[in-house]
Amino acid sequence: EDKVVQSPLSLVVHEGDTVTLNCSYEVTNFRSLLWYKQEKKAPTFLFMLTSSGIEKKSGRLSSILDKKELFSILNITATQTGDSAIYLCAVGGGSNYKLTFGKGTLLTVNP
Amino acid sequence: GAVVSQHPSRVICKSGTSVKIECRSLDFQATTMFWYRQFPKQSLMLMATSNEGSKATYEQGVEKDKFLINHASLTLSTLTVTSAHPEDSSFYICSARTDTEQYFGPGTRLTVT
Repeated sequence: EDKVVQSPLSLVVHEGDTVTLNCSYEVTNFRSLLWYKQEKKAPTFLFMLTSSGIEKKSGRLSSILDKKELFSILNITATQTGDSAIYLCAVGGGSNYKLTFGKGTLLTVNP
Repeated sequence: GAVVSQHPSRVICKSGTSVKIECRSLDFQATTMFWYRQFPKQSLMLMATSNEGSKATYEQGVEKDKFLINHASLTLSTLTVTSAHPEDSSFYICSARTDTEQYFGPGTRLTVT
């Protein structure tokens, strides 16, 4: 059975701090790892990672995948209150790219 | 990016009735759509994979007679919750797959009274 484990489950920081969110996985026929941000509604796409060691960056967010050790990290620098959300990691596998989600990390950024 | 819509966004129904939720890919064709359920403070759980023109593939523990899925065209999949009970109250989210990514609909909040 495919498994995705995220840590920590929740995190409270102050504005300006840097955070690192972790995602480890066990999945058959790995195709991709995706990060999503979920606020009040459905998840919004952040990154898709398919190759080891190549950092993807978007503004203050960045992510990298290690396919040997089966994990990924999502970094957020200079956090803002608007970064408060649940961050979901999902791994796609199999012929139909079925996604298996982790439980998510609830990030709270206080002013 | 690609847009996926869901309708309705929120529905309240009585126990024993059926509710249909639509998922549409607005600007692309999706041979595969996925239906997820999310309970409060929990992650998304995949319910079923919907393939255009064929029967849906249900995840273990999901009753296919209760959650009817129809993928009638390359842009539309529907989920019907039959004989709804209060424990079916949840946030239902669909996603549609392109060659490289999955795009999520905004979700449907179902409350069964």
